[in-house]
Amino acid sequence: AQRVTQPEKLLSVFKGAPVELKCNYSYSGSPELFWYVQYSRQRLQLLLRHISRESIKGFTADLNKGETSFHLKKPFAQEEDSAMYYCALPRGSYIPTFGRGTSLIVHP
Amino acid sequence: GAVVSQHPSWVICKSGTSVKIECRSLDFQATTMFWYRQFPKQSLMLMATSNEGSKATYEQGVEKDKFLINHASLTLSTLTVTSAHPEDSSFYICNHKGDLQRAEAFFGQGTRLTVV
Repeated sequence: AQRVTQPEKLLSVFKGAPVELKCNYSYSGSPELFWYVQYSRQRLQLLLRHISRESIKGFTADLNKGETSFHLKKPFAQEEDSAMYYCALPRGSYIPTFGRGTSLIVHP
Repeated sequence: GAVVSQHPSWVICKSGTSVKIECRSLDFQATTMFWYRQFPKQSLMLMATSNEGSKATYEQGVEKDKFLINHASLTLSTLTVTSAHPEDSSFYICNHKGDLQRAEAFFGQGTRLTVV
């Protein structure tokens, strides 16, 4: 069965510090992985997807098939990055499988 | 991009009453919508898949008689929590089927249900 694990419920850093939100997955086959973000009082929204290999708001994520990981990274955290972050793994052609989420708090 | 509107944003109801949550797609036809539930400090959990014109598909452990889903049109899916109990208090969110090629999924803003 496929599974997404985000081991950290909470990650607290100071502004300017590097950030890494961990995501490990279990999936038989070639996965397509996503990161979603939910800012306070806003809807969940897509942050980035691994197939595009893009950087959004300074965040990047690399799929490591050997370690079955898709960690989200940013070299210098900003206060506005404070939010809930969800790693997600598609099932079929849509995206219902989420990790439990990691709350990122960036202190000034 | 596509927009999904969910209503109400929050609702408080008494135990034993029923609550209806609406999820509308504003500028596209949604043949499939998904309903999730999120308990405090836990992840979003898929409850059911709502299919226009047919019965919803429920995930294991979700009571279909308690969480009634209706998807009578291409723009509206509703979730009715029947005979609500305090343990049903949660955050409910709907989302439209994403297109993997575009790698997007569109979410409603969510409904915070509190049963007292």
